[in-house]
Amino acid sequence: AQSVSQHNHHVILSEAASLELGCNYSYGGTVNLFWYVQYPGQHLQLLLKYFSGDPLVKGIKGFEAEFIKSKFSFNLRKPSVQWSDTAEYFCAVIAGSNDYKLSFGAGTTVTVRA
Amino acid sequence: DTEVTQTPKHLVMGMTNKKSLKCEQHMGHRAMYWYKQKAKKPPELMFVYSYEKLSINESVPSRFSPECPNSSLLNLHLHALQPEDSALYLCASSLRWAQGANTEAFFGQGTRLTVV
Repeated sequence: AQSVSQHNHHVILSEAASLELGCNYSYGGTVNLFWYVQYPGQHLQLLLKYFSGDPLVKGIKGFEAEFIKSKFSFNLRKPSVQWSDTAEYFCAVIAGSNDYKLSFGAGTTVTVRA
Repeated sequence: DTEVTQTPKHLVMGMTNKKSLKCEQHMGHRAMYWYKQKAKKPPELMFVYSYEKLSINESVPSRFSPECPNSSLLNLHLHALQPEDSALYLCASSLRWAQGANTEAFFGQGTRLTVV
């Protein structure tokens, strides 16, 4: 079945450490790619998006992601995390082959220790 | 204004009750969505409205009845729910759907629903 996979269920790291969260999808054809963040008790917020063009996209709060078409991947990175980055992170994909539905990965819980 | 507003924020209802969730956006978006999110799980799509017409129903039980009265409003009518329907119900909107690529979804804060 077509899907969005996030490799890490729970990541725990210290402040100033680097973060990388993996995301792979299995939809063929053109895709739109997103990373959303959900802080505790808050709504889903868009971190960054990829539609076309430069495969390295920069988002808010110092996050970036790289689209590697050959690997069907869209990994999220941040060079130096802060305690305030503690949240749930969701990769999401829109694909024409999936009726343009915004489909989410299972999510990764990121805990940053001060 | 980049907000999607949902009311109420919290709702407790009995299994025989009828209630409605409301969602509003004033961004001129012509696609609106209902998602269901259980704790520690990703949002699951329930319905897609495009230009006020129901475009996708993800095999949602009929006890959930969506309605889109105009381009800014989206309702979810609830009747005879089960305790397992307790969840966070999220509304989202985007500029368009289907021809709908290259557009992002904005999410509301959600309605925390508890069915007793």
